[in-house]
Order: sequence, then C-alpha cells, then structure tokens
Amino acid sequence: AQKITQTQPGMFVQEKEAVTLDCTYDTSDPSYGLFWYKQPSSGEMIFLIYQGSYDQQNATEGRYSLNFQKARKSANLVISASQLGDSAMYFCAMRENYGGSQGNLIFGKGTKLSVKP
Amino acid sequence: NAGVMQNPRHLVRRRGQEARLRCSPMKGHSHVYWYRQLPEEGLKFMVYLQKENIIDESGMPKERFSAEFPKEGPSILRIQQVVRGDSAAYFCASSPKFNKKSNYGYTFGSGTRLTVV
Repeated sequence: AQKITQTQPGMFVQEKEAVTLDCTYDTSDPSYGLFWYKQPSSGEMIFLIYQGSYDQQNATEGRYSLNFQKARKSANLVISASQLGDSAMYFCAMRENYGGSQGNLIFGKGTKLSVKP
Repeated sequence: NAGVMQNPRHLVRRRGQEARLRCSPMKGHSHVYWYRQLPEEGLKFMVYLQKENIIDESGMPKERFSAEFPKEGPSILRIQQVVRGDSAAYFCASSPKFNKKSNYGYTFGSGTRLTVV
C-alpha cells in the first residue's frame, strides 16, 4: 500500500486564485512529520512547509498553508493568490519517527501545477 | 556557499562504466541522505549515512550500488557497471542530528542527472 497518495497528477489554476493540492498518507506511527516540497522545471527541491503530527494548529508559511486533518490522514497544501512562478511539481512527503528508518522521507508521486495568466 | 553541493549536475556514462556522484552537506550537518527520482516519479529513498557510518541502506539496490561518507570529504554514491535503467536524477539531502520534533533542514542539493547511453 502506498504511504503517500497524491491523486491529482495535474492541476490548473488561474493567477491570483487559491488552489488546494491533495495529499493523503498512511502510517501506524504515533509520531510523524509531513512535508511539502516544490520542484520547478530547473529540478531543485525546495522545502515549503512542515506539519508535525502532534501540532495543534495547521502550519502556515506565507502564501502556503497546510490543511491537516489527522483523523482523515490528509495534509492538503493550500496556495493562496497563485503566481506564475508557482507553476511546478509539488511533492508531499512523510517522515515516520519510530517505524522504519529514522529520518528518511517517503514521497508521493507529485502534482504538476500550472498557473494560467 | 552554505547549501548542499552536488556534482556533477549532469553525468553521461556508457553502459558498463562506473558513475560517481558527490555530495557535500551543509556546514554543520552530519547526516546525508541519497534519493533517486525516475522520470515522472517522486523521490525514492536509497541510503542514509553519518560520517564513516551507514545508518540505513534499505533502499539501495543489492548489487552495483554503494555509498560512503568518509571522515573527510564529500559523500559518494557509486554505481558500478551502469545500465540504462540507472538513468535518473539523484538527489542528496543533509540534516543536523535527528530530532523527532523538528522539521530540521532536509536541505536538498540540486541533484545529479545521470544519463546512461
């Protein structure tokens, strides 16, 4: 079974509008972390936002926020006021703090976001 | 430059040759992770190293692949007798000591694109 599922291979959004990228995860660890990365066409991996499983509040970083629904095991990324520079691949990832190897990340297959002018 | 440095950015090898990929972690980071990204896929964990010590190599293919992180110098991912299926982007990430509560910097390098011809 996949540990990280991103069901949207591609998404389009109009510039200046908000967009939600879906991510669901599967783990039996009581403690874990969830990450979102952006990969532009140049190829580098850019860290966007982090949510710990015990964090009470949803994480926010500028225009990025994470809609964390623990019971549903979902960690959707919300980008507000989309910009043309947001066009990229977006990856959701999880770190299991007890099971498996401590420290490594498990990635989803990604969502390609295209922002239309 | 305080970032994770990977070189070369692009590497072309003929089938049967050896490929050596280098990764210098961020200053102060003692942990290195290698990931592989096949086309249209997310990153897959390969190996996790500390200085002079392999912590977890559960994601490494059993044959032809090896990794090291010597006391001095960069971490090296070595692929012997490359085959076309090894063509991929190889990313290195570094972090300080593992802390379950931290979103500690999984800082990624820009990757090495390996093409086997």
